[in-house]
Formats: sequence, structure tokens, C-alpha cells
Amino acid sequence: SAVISQKPSRDICQRGTSLTIQCQVDSQVTMMFWYRQQPGQSLTLIATANQGSEATYESGFVIDKFPISRPNLTFSTLTVSNMSPEDSSIYLCSVMAGPSSYNEQFFGPGTRLTVL
Amino acid sequence: AQSVAQPEDQVNVAEGNPLTVKCTYSVSGNPYLFWYVQYPNRGLQFLLKYITGDNLVKGSYGFEAEFNKSQTSFHLKKPSALVSDSALYFCAVRDPGGGNKLTFGTGTQLKVEL
Repeated sequence: SAVISQKPSRDICQRGTSLTIQCQVDSQVTMMFWYRQQPGQSLTLIATANQGSEATYESGFVIDKFPISRPNLTFSTLTVSNMSPEDSSIYLCSVMAGPSSYNEQFFGPGTRLTVL
Repeated sequence: AQSVAQPEDQVNVAEGNPLTVKCTYSVSGNPYLFWYVQYPNRGLQFLLKYITGDNLVKGSYGFEAEFNKSQTSFHLKKPSALVSDSALYFCAVRDPGGGNKLTFGTGTQLKVEL
């Protein structure tokens, strides 16, 4: 299984500012995923990040609000831009155990974001 | 479109009793189904998956799940619950013909009491 780390683990930010979340994996992976888990709710996929190409965003999420970088096969960042209190959530990075769609996904510990 | 339903927000069970956490799904083709567990202040941990073959799959920590195609269900089970099983459980589905998107249910809080 992949070991995934995220930085920061938590942060408290002011409205209107931006926060960049880092995700590091201990092995090379093709696809990385970013999820949001709002308080008391399920996980929602924000985007899929492939190395060497632009991220693919899900309905309701846009690149201007959640820009993603994927500079290599072990690292990705998600930026939450121009934050509002509605962005307060846990943000999770995830990778697939293998290239096939039957593989499970592993998740990082999450970044708990509070926007005041 | 793929979707997952977990009809129970919370399940309470006494330690030593069997537990069941329910999940139903909707996909256009044959599903790939997963169960995850989330302990407080921790990330999601993979428990088990169904891809094909035997309808009863076994996973981590003594958990198992039964795939029922006619009822489009994938209920999580454990013969004897432990207090340490208390956590938030998520069912998830992936449509093999729909890329690699994993869709999660709303989660079920399991509380195991002495």
C-alpha cells in the first residue's frame, strides 16, 4: 500500500486568502485525486490530477478556485483560493493502488481547513 | 451515473453481537464496490472490495461484505463486534466503464457499546 503524507495537517485562515496543500506519496503513481469532506458529510471528488497534463475537474469545481499542480509522479498540490467560510472542510489526497480501475484507493490523513 | 446509498446514519450494536452496515448502489454496468473506515481525526482506511467472483468477500479486522446483484446491495458485516470497531464507515462504487471515479455514500456511524 502507498504511504501518503499531507501538509499542513490543519490550518486556520482568514477569508479572502489562499492556502496550498501538499501531497507526497512514497511511490510513483499515475493518478492522484483530491477530495473534499465537509463537516458531517461524505467525500466529494474535486479533481483528478495526472502528471504532465491539466487536472480534470468535477462538476461544481473550477480551476480558478482550486488550482492543482502535478509536477512529478509522487507529488501534487491543491490550492484553495479566495477562501470563504464555506470552504471549511477536510481536504484529502488519494492515489490508486494500481493502474486498473478495480484497484482500491489509498488516502492521506487529510488537511483540516477552517476559514474565519 | 453511479451512486451509493447508505440508508442508516447510525448503527448501534452491543459488543459481541453481529453487526451489519447497509449499502445499495446504482451503476450502469457491473460495479466495483469498496468499503472504507474512518476513525476520528484520521484518514480513510480501505477495508475490502468486490470486483468479481465469490459474492462474499473478506477484508481487514474481521469484516466481510456480501454482494447481491439482484438487490444491488453490498452490506458490510462482522460476526462479533468490538468497541474498537466504532467509527464512520463509507461504501463506495466505481463503474468500470466510467473511468476511475470513486463515488462515496454518505457514511454510517457505527457505535459499539459494552
